[in-house]
Order: sequence, then C-alpha cells, then structure tokens
Amino acid sequence: DTGVSQDPRHKITKRGQNVTFRCDPISEHNRLYWYRQTLGQGPEFLTYFQNEAQLEKSRLLSDRFSAERPKGSFSTLEIQRTEQGDSAMYLCASSLARLAGGLGETQYFGPGTRLLVL
Amino acid sequence: KQEVTQIPAALSVPEGENLVLNCSFTDSAIYNLQWFRQDPGKGLTSLLLIQSSQREQTSGRLNASLDKSSGRSTLYIAASQPGDSATYLCAADSGGGADGLTFGKGTHLIIQP
Repeated sequence: DTGVSQDPRHKITKRGQNVTFRCDPISEHNRLYWYRQTLGQGPEFLTYFQNEAQLEKSRLLSDRFSAERPKGSFSTLEIQRTEQGDSAMYLCASSLARLAGGLGETQYFGPGTRLLVL
Repeated sequence: KQEVTQIPAALSVPEGENLVLNCSFTDSAIYNLQWFRQDPGKGLTSLLLIQSSQREQTSGRLNASLDKSSGRSTLYIAASQPGDSATYLCAADSGGGADGLTFGKGTHLIIQP
C-alpha cells in the first residue's frame, strides 16, 4: 500500500492554457474523488468515480473541467482555458466501498497538485 | 445543503495541555463524520471516522465524539505536543461516500514548546 499519489505536485501556467493532473489511487480502491482547496478554506468536492463510472459532479465543475478514470484505475483531471480563479490545490482521494449503499468509508488523500494560473 | 462550521478558527496552547476542537453541521442526516489533519502545503491525513450510529472513537491521544441530534462533534487531544501543530479539519459524509465530503474551514492549531 503505497498511498495515493498525484502528479505533478506543482504547476504554473498562463491563463488560457490547458492543464492535466493525474491521480493514482491506492490499489484496489474502487472509489476516487477530486476536491479543490483554496487558501484558508476546507476542500470542496468536485467529482466522484465508482470504478470507471463518474457518478457525481459538483456545480463547481464547470464545462471547462473534465475528469476521467479509464479502466477504473488512475484518474485525470483536465482544465481547459485556465482562468486565474482556477488557482488552487487540487486534491485526489480514494476509498474502498465494501457494501453497495453502505455507510461511507475513510477517504485517503494524496499530497495534492498546486496550480497557479498567471 | 450541508454546512460545516469549525470553532475556533485558530488556537495556540502550551505543550502538555489537553484541548478540544469543535465542529458543527447543519444536516443531522449523515452517514459518518471524519476528522483530518493537514500540514502546511500538504494533503490530508485521516485521523478518525465516526459512523452515525457511534458516539465516539479513540486513537491514541485523540478522542472524537459525535452527537447527531445536536449536529456537533468534538476532537479531544490529550497531552498536546509540538508535533500536533497543524490544521484540523472535520468533514461530514451526507451521501455514504456518493456526494463527497463536506468540510469545515479547519482549526489552525499551534502547540508552543
């Protein structure tokens, strides 16, 4: 169990550019989450995958954002036409849901990708 | 819509003191309540998860309680140490994992040596 990893750890880009982040969850975890955290705030939920299916998206996830989880393993989060307001820490988390419609479970977070849009 | 509030926003205490961090949530229909720790510029480390049917959970010097009816949870840290300095976040799970967690803004804790 090597934990959740994210790449890159830091990204600086110019406004209008596209960026893509990768998350590798804990192996065999079937749920994967993306959150965004700005300075002084708690993380805010963006989207959630159960295996390869994207089951929930927050209203925060505008149409410039897209996430995928091919084959139910790693996930990518792409932001198109970045804006300065996209500057934040993007956190990925994974969990193992053992029961359908269960009680929820501990989410394990990666180190995050810090994005700065100039 | 679930809202989570944490009080105080910041706390500074001398080493060795016992302390309590507070968390309140507006919708009592939760599956669980989770406490995390976050060091500066880092991701979150899970500390404790309390299922909705439970009243408390303990891990080492940490004890978390849950009172669903009043919408409150507390994190008790015994015999605080400088290494406990971090931001502590509580998060409510209102969808059994399906809607993500709703976080408070955190309590920034400093333990003075």
